[in-house]
Amino acid sequence: DVKVTQSSRYLVKRTGEKVFLECVQDMDHENMFWYRQDPGLGLRLIYFSYDVKMKEKGDIPEGYSVSREKKERFSLILESASTNQTSMYLCASTHKVYEQYFGPGTRLTVT
Amino acid sequence: GENVEQHPSTLSVQEGDSAVIKCTYSDSASNYFPWYKQELGKRPQLIIDIRSNVGEKKDQRIAVTLNKTAKHFSLHITETQPEDSAVYFCAARKRGKLIFGQGTELSVKP
Repeated sequence: DVKVTQSSRYLVKRTGEKVFLECVQDMDHENMFWYRQDPGLGLRLIYFSYDVKMKEKGDIPEGYSVSREKKERFSLILESASTNQTSMYLCASTHKVYEQYFGPGTRLTVT
Repeated sequence: GENVEQHPSTLSVQEGDSAVIKCTYSDSASNYFPWYKQELGKRPQLIIDIRSNVGEKKDQRIAVTLNKTAKHFSLHITETQPEDSAVYFCAARKRGKLIFGQGTELSVKP
C-alpha cells in the first residue's frame, strides 16, 4: 500500500520567514510533485522531480524552490514567505505508471 | 502549454440521478486523462482514467468518455449516492506532468 506523508498538516508562519515543507514516500517512486490547491483554481504544479537531485519547474515556480537529496524525500522551500503563499500544499508521487498518489496536504497560513 | 477547462464548478443532484462533469483540453499531444475525487478534508484519489487510444471506460457506476477530435472528456456517475458528494478533478497528462481542471463540487441530496 503506497504511503505518502507530509511533515505537517497545519503550519502558521510569518511574512519573510523561510519555510520548509517535507514529503516522504515509501514505495521507491522515481517521480515526485508539489502542487498548491486554491479554491476555484484546482491543483497547480509548482515543481516536480524525476530523480534524485533532479528538478523541473512546473507552472507556478516563482517564490519556491525544491530539494531532492534522497529518492524518498522531496522538499518544498519558501525562501521568504508571503501572504499570497497561504494555501493548501499537496505532494504526490508516482512510479513509471500513471497514477499519482497524494499526501494528506499541508495547510500553510502566512500572516 | 496544456490548458484544461472543467465545467460546471458546482453540481447539485438528487440521490439516484446521474451526474456529468465535462473537461476540455488544448494540447492534442496529451495522452492520458485521469479523474480524481477529493472528499472534504482528504487527499485526492484516482477513481478512473482513460488513455488516448480508448474512447470509453466504465467501472461500476462511473464511466469516462473521450473525444480526441473535439479534445474533450467527460465523467459520468449514475445512480448517485450521498457518498459521491466530493470535489472532482479532471486532468490531462503531457510529458509526465498532469494539468488539472479547476474542480467540480458535486453535492448529492438524499
